[in-house]
Amino acid sequence: QVQLVESGGGVVQPGRSLRISCAASGFTFNDYAVHWVRQAPGKGLEWVAVISYDGSKKYYADSVKGRFTISRDNSKNALYLQMNSLRVDDTAVYYCARSSLVWDYMDVWGKGTTVTVSS
Amino acid sequence: QSVLTQPPSVSGAPGQRVTISCTGSSSNIGAGYDVRWYQLLPGTAPKLLIYGNNNRPSGVPDRFSGSNSGTSASLAITGLQAEDEADYYCQSYDSSLSGSVFGTGTKVTVL
Repeated sequence: QVQLVESGGGVVQPGRSLRISCAASGFTFNDYAVHWVRQAPGKGLEWVAVISYDGSKKYYADSVKGRFTISRDNSKNALYLQMNSLRVDDTAVYYCARSSLVWDYMDVWGKGTTVTVSS
Repeated sequence: QSVLTQPPSVSGAPGQRVTISCTGSSSNIGAGYDVRWYQLLPGTAPKLLIYGNNNRPSGVPDRFSGSNSGTSASLAITGLQAEDEADYYCQSYDSSLSGSVFGTGTKVTVL
């Protein structure tokens, strides 16, 4: 079935780096843009970044611009988020979600992976 | 801080109708960008409820409906059921931020 599965979350110290992944299955991955969305503990959803179907366009929220990099490998049906210079307020559940176009609605979501930034 | 404002909570008895507002501005909802609504249940993947302002994906009950007016949007749930107890978020595009934005979120409680 159509599925997105995140992985790679964990506990990391402030200032360090972490890469999380999202594995897609059940659909033609390179037909879709893909997003990262996060939810900090007790907070609401926050859009983080999006990458176009072919990786040529990337957009970021101001809160992560310059620190996070979104990328994809269509040969592996995989999405990545490289997170550098992590801060305590980056602690959140990170979801990946697909959309037909970059700014279209997100119709399939994963269950998320938890990233905790703590000393 | 989100640019789309929702009430923190709404509640209703089973069978009643509740509405959730989503107040934006001229750079998002007021500019004509589509509003979407998502449902979050603890421990599960977020679920798309409404897209294109008032379209439901396959499998979403017609008890859920969306509407827009000016710089605001609303989600209505009619015939409220216990399984509707969840968090709900609106979402749109914001031209000033050049990115996607979510609402502050609303917790629906079934009394």
